[in-house]
Amino acid sequence: DTEVTQTPKHLVMGMTNKKSLKCEQHMGHRAMYWYKQKAKKPPELMFVYSYEKLSINESVPSRFSPECPNSSLLNLHLHALQPEDSALYLCASSLRDVGPTAGGSETQYFGPGTRLLVL
Amino acid sequence: SQKIEQNSEALNIQEGKTATLTCNYTNYSPAYLQWYRQDPGRGPVFLLLIRENEKEKRKERLKVTFDTTLKQSLFHITASQPADSATYLCALPEYDATNKLIFGTGTLLAVQP
Repeated sequence: DTEVTQTPKHLVMGMTNKKSLKCEQHMGHRAMYWYKQKAKKPPELMFVYSYEKLSINESVPSRFSPECPNSSLLNLHLHALQPEDSALYLCASSLRDVGPTAGGSETQYFGPGTRLLVL
Repeated sequence: SQKIEQNSEALNIQEGKTATLTCNYTNYSPAYLQWYRQDPGRGPVFLLLIRENEKEKRKERLKVTFDTTLKQSLFHITASQPADSATYLCALPEYDATNKLIFGTGTLLAVQP
């Protein structure tokens, strides 16, 4: 299985709602990532989990809360979002973290994304 | 921090021709550089990785070059097909303790039949 899956594909939520995005991979990868991508812009890193521990938080607002229940699953909990948070949210995984101890380059495998619209 | 520049204008070419996309970076030379393909509304798909000590890398109709003197990578698609139409992103690691991937804005390639 060389796939990263994400659910849901589309999500519409109000600014007072609480929702969660889910990501799953069964490639034995130990690093998982959340990216946010706005139209015609590159993916922007939000969070990195390495061996199920949060290793990078790119100063993301607390209304986004990541969770890594196990090595195959990654969640992104959403609460009190703003309309400007509407974007494509991408999950990715790589065999290892690319931190200073990784010692090598790591290809990232992306999921299809969740298209989020905040009203 | 590192800045990556890709031609923001769409590249239109005829089917069968070679498409050449450019990725320039402004600061340090990275240990490697990656190219991804992204279709509308989908996640990027990894295509090729080239290391700093490699001048050229090939995979089927794809070829990537890496010139650390020019601080540039070129991505070539030979015998292009309409199915090659997509946005192509280059990415390289940030030169800090995180080594996180930084993506360029991408170049939209349109191959006309």
